[in-house]
Amino acid sequence: GQQVMQIPQYQHVQEGEDFTTYCNSSTTLSNIQWYKQRPGGHPVFLIQLVKSGEVKKQKRLTFQFGEAKKNSSLHITATQTTDVGTYFCAGAAAGGGADGLTFGKGTHLIIQP
Amino acid sequence: IAGITQAPTSQILAAGRRMTLRCTQDMRHNAMYWYRQDLGLGLRLIHYSNTAGTTGKGEVPDGYSVSRANTDDFPLTLASAVPSQTSVYFCASSLDGNTEAFFGQGTRLTVV
Repeated sequence: GQQVMQIPQYQHVQEGEDFTTYCNSSTTLSNIQWYKQRPGGHPVFLIQLVKSGEVKKQKRLTFQFGEAKKNSSLHITATQTTDVGTYFCAGAAAGGGADGLTFGKGTHLIIQP
Repeated sequence: IAGITQAPTSQILAAGRRMTLRCTQDMRHNAMYWYRQDLGLGLRLIHYSNTAGTTGKGEVPDGYSVSRANTDDFPLTLASAVPSQTSVYFCASSLDGNTEAFFGQGTRLTVV
């Protein structure tokens, strides 16, 4: 079945440093979604990428979808303490259906002030 | 209510007992999911439903069952709880299997 690998598992940064997490799928995706989970909270949708090579920005967050639609990245510029949490990618397989959304294991972002 | 609601918020359960986790959404979403979240293992899909009346098995379905009698409700049942089912359980819904998923607040279940 479809597998979604996400690295790194943990990332420690000093406040103000940049942060990047990477996501790779074993199969070509219909789209990829990114979620953020604050400590003790539930995953919250951030963005969805659909097109090959797509780049989207949300303030300090930049999301990219690879040309082959099998990999993606999330980059945060100048991290702030409010960025703390776990970032998950989720790949939607071609053909849709609820079984087609596979989550990566997440990257835990820890920020040292 | 607005969105997706889970109950209970937390529960301590004796091994061998039966337990149903409730999930209700009012967004008229077709797809609903149950995930369990364990440290280091991320979100693992237990069961899913693409539409009312249909369900399917996810990555870790053993020991769990679901039903989808209507659009709004998607209960998860543990027939005979075991300690390895200690976890945080999230219910989620989306318009279909490809679009933004909305998560409930989660149920923290401890089986002793």
